[in-house]
Amino acid sequence: EADIYQTPRYLVIGTGKKITLECSQTMGHDKMYWYQQDPGMELHLIHYSYGVNSTEKGDLSSESTVSRIRTEHFPLTLESARPSHTSQYLCASSDRTLNYGYTFGSGTRLTVV
Amino acid sequence: SQKIEQNSEALNIQEGKTATLTCNYTNYSPAYLQWYRQDPGRGPVFLLLIRENEKEKRKERLKVTFDTTLKQSLFHITASQPADSATYLCALDDRDDKIIFGKGTRLHILP
Repeated sequence: EADIYQTPRYLVIGTGKKITLECSQTMGHDKMYWYQQDPGMELHLIHYSYGVNSTEKGDLSSESTVSRIRTEHFPLTLESARPSHTSQYLCASSDRTLNYGYTFGSGTRLTVV
Repeated sequence: SQKIEQNSEALNIQEGKTATLTCNYTNYSPAYLQWYRQDPGRGPVFLLLIRENEKEKRKERLKVTFDTTLKQSLFHITASQPADSATYLCALDDRDDKIIFGKGTRLHILP
C-alpha cells in the first residue's frame, strides 16, 4: 500500500489557470522530490527538498514552484498553466539512508488545453 | 557530458528464461546504483540498491551486478514470468545527493 499520495490522479485544465498538485507522505521522510515524465521518456527532476523550509530547483527548468511548510506535505504549483506543461508529474520521498530507495506516488497526469 | 544508457529497444524473453538488462554510464562516479520497476501510468517502484563497494546483490529472483571499472550494472530476472513485464529503470547518484534516472528498458515476458 502506498505511503505517498498524490492528488488529483488526472487533471484537465484550461490555459492560464493556476493549479496545485498535492503530495503527502506518512513515512516521516526528510527528502522529497518532484519529477516530470513524458510518455516513454526518462524522469526529470524539477524540484527537491531536504526538509522543512528547504526547496531547490532540479536539473530540468520548470515554471512551477514548490513549498515545504510541513515535513509530510510538498505541493507543486503552476501559476499559469500552458499546453507545454502537459505531462505526468511524480512525487517521491526518501529517508536519509536511501537503503530503500525512493518511494514514488502514483503520479498526476496533467493535460492543459 | 554525463549519460546513462539502457537497452534502447524492448526486450522480449520467453517465460522461464533469464532476462538480463544492461545499464551503462559515463562521466559519473556513483556511490550507489538503484533499479526500479515502472508499470504504465504508475510511479516507479524501488527494487534493489547496490553500493560501489559491492559486486553483486540478490533479492529473490533478482540479481544485480555493479562493475565500477566497466561503468556498468547488469540486472537479471531468473525464471521470468509474464507478470515481470514492465519497464525497468536504472538510477544512480550524482554525488550531489540527487538521483539521475535512465530512460528504462521495456521488458516483455512471452508466455
